[in-house]
Amino acid sequence: EVHLVESGGGLVQPGGSLRLSCAASGFTFSSYAMCWVRQAPGKGLEWVSGISDSDRGDNRYYSDSVKGRYIISRDDSKNTLYLQMNSLRAEDTAMYYCAKSSLGVDIWSPPDSWGQGTLVTVSS
Amino acid sequence: DIVMTQSPDFLAVSLGERATINCKSSQSVLYSSNNKHYVAWYQQKPGQRPKLLIAWASTRASGVPDRFSGGGSGTDFTLTISSLQAEDVAVYYCQQHYNIPFTFGPGTKVDIK
Repeated sequence: EVHLVESGGGLVQPGGSLRLSCAASGFTFSSYAMCWVRQAPGKGLEWVSGISDSDRGDNRYYSDSVKGRYIISRDDSKNTLYLQMNSLRAEDTAMYYCAKSSLGVDIWSPPDSWGQGTLVTVSS
Repeated sequence: DIVMTQSPDFLAVSLGERATINCKSSQSVLYSSNNKHYVAWYQQKPGQRPKLLIAWASTRASGVPDRFSGGGSGTDFTLTISSLQAEDVAVYYCQQHYNIPFTFGPGTKVDIK
């Protein structure tokens, strides 16, 4: 069974940084593209970032709202996905979900498994 | 970015009745090489993570009941629940997975009448 567990969320001041982690199990992590999706309190879903599998050079993709501030990465030896978030703003406050691509290395396939999320609050 | 719109915002349907949600993309999401529309549908129940229901506009995800079906073409897509059950109360989102960023619609809340 696929299991994704996010961690690293919390309260941070504007301008600060956080690193989220997503521990994966139940599938061959290195063979799947992964992504982060966030949801502000009471709002809809927003795709944030995605990363292809390592064999394809860890191609990384970002939404315009986080480009230049967030860095997605993966460590296949630890079955873990990361999201380094810098220069955080109030509007980054959200539940952050990691999710697994449904079709292996294809980042253009929709995610079919999601973690429970980790809450990031940006406030002074 | 591709803009996804949904209608209605809220839908109340009697148990056992049909529920239909509409989703429109601001441009084509048809990948000509495989003739697939890159639209997905998700269900999110209160306090829970999203769950993939439909991929490529009409392919049910594993384990999804067959009362859920997706359809449409071009820029207009639908999610239909053929016979609404109490456990289907949720917010439903469409998403295009054709162009990065993979944008979502604003969601449709489905409840029991």
